[in-house]
Amino acid sequence: EAGVAQSPRYKIIEKRQSVAFWCNPISGHATLYWYQQILGQGPKLLIQFQNNGVVDDSQLPKDRFSAERLKGVDSTLKIQPAKLEDSAVYLCASSLGDSSAEAFFGQGTRLTVV
Amino acid sequence: EDQVTQSPEALRLQEGESSSLNCSYTVSGLRGLFWYRQDPGKGPEFLFTLYSAGEEKEKERLKATLTKKESFLHITAPKPEDSATYLCAVHPTTDSWGKLQFGAGTQVVVTP
Repeated sequence: EAGVAQSPRYKIIEKRQSVAFWCNPISGHATLYWYQQILGQGPKLLIQFQNNGVVDDSQLPKDRFSAERLKGVDSTLKIQPAKLEDSAVYLCASSLGDSSAEAFFGQGTRLTVV
Repeated sequence: EDQVTQSPEALRLQEGESSSLNCSYTVSGLRGLFWYRQDPGKGPEFLFTLYSAGEEKEKERLKATLTKKESFLHITAPKPEDSATYLCAVHPTTDSWGKLQFGAGTQVVVTP
């Protein structure tokens, strides 16, 4: 079974630039999550989708972050404009949804803002 | 406010030296407690889910236990390949289904 795919693996940008990350979840998984993991910390949920609807985006900095999950499959997370404190690993995860909260994670995208 | 605290922050073990990691949590209601393993440069890998106090689960050299206020991850006779960061996460009843709150993790290094 293919896992959660993310791209790119690494990205370096200057502050005030924009960046986008892509995620393809495990086939059949209704729920998709974007987490931010700052060095030395545990992952923090940014946004959660159930199919193509947003379930929770309470911790998403909406003035600069946006995410979409068109057609309920792939998802993109965008940051515009980026700040130095956005340097982190952005993890995408997916789960079956109502029947299981066990999430499967992708390898993440390491973002460095300089 | 829900909180998850893991201790110690880092643990260095000799191969074969058993030890335990602690995850203390404060939630108004608990749907489940999760343990993940994270290797450098990779995403977290699911290990266990515990749902009620007194529950235990085992996988190879790892055993997870749960009480009403904390969970322990016991590592028995560890090997170098057990070196990783171990993350604990809670699934509160007050949050949306699937929303996990993670602790900062315990970094474990097992030397030969």
